[in-house]
Amino acid sequence: GEDVEQSLFLSVREGDSSVINCTYTDSSSTYLYWYKQEPGAGLQLLTYIFSNMDMKQDQRLTVLLNKKDKHLSLRIADTQTGDSAIYFCAVQNTGGFKTIFGAGTRLFVKA
Amino acid sequence: DAGITQSPRHKVTETGTPVTLRCHQTENHRYMYWYRQDPGHGLRLIHYSYGVKDTDKGEVSDGYSVSRSKTEDFLLTLESATSSQTSVYFCAISESIDLEAFFGQGTRLTVV
Repeated sequence: GEDVEQSLFLSVREGDSSVINCTYTDSSSTYLYWYKQEPGAGLQLLTYIFSNMDMKQDQRLTVLLNKKDKHLSLRIADTQTGDSAIYFCAVQNTGGFKTIFGAGTRLFVKA
Repeated sequence: DAGITQSPRHKVTETGTPVTLRCHQTENHRYMYWYRQDPGHGLRLIHYSYGVKDTDKGEVSDGYSVSRSKTEDFLLTLESATSSQTSVYFCAISESIDLEAFFGQGTRLTVV
């Protein structure tokens, strides 16, 4: 079945850029999301990209999509301690109720 | 923040007992979802609803049932709780299936 994979941990220094990677198997994925989860909280949508785009920038966040390799990445520029959280990649098909989530990448930001 | 309230936020229950978790929304969104979050698995869809009395199964629906008698409430019931159902449960809502989903704060359920 469909699968979404992410590395489990990433550690960066404050002020550096963070890059969180995600690979997925379903080539018909139309909507690709990045969610952030802070401790004890639900998921919050950070940004998303449509499959007909290859890049989206939103302030410190840059999403890159390589459809050929089914690879999605989230770059956080000038990473701050407040960015420490778990980041989930999620993909969804057009007209599908089922959004597939990755296991999440825990980002540690060292001061 | 979207108006989603999950209750209870924490619950400990014994194996074999029934448990009902409630999700209440004030956004009048059509779609509501129940997920469970387990280490190493991300979020997995249990059941979802696309309208009052309209529900369907997700990928991990065994042992769970749901009901939606009103737009604003989506109930998740574990008929006979098992230890494998110890998890954090999240409710989510969305206006459309291809729009942003808003998540509740989660319910931590422990089955002992």
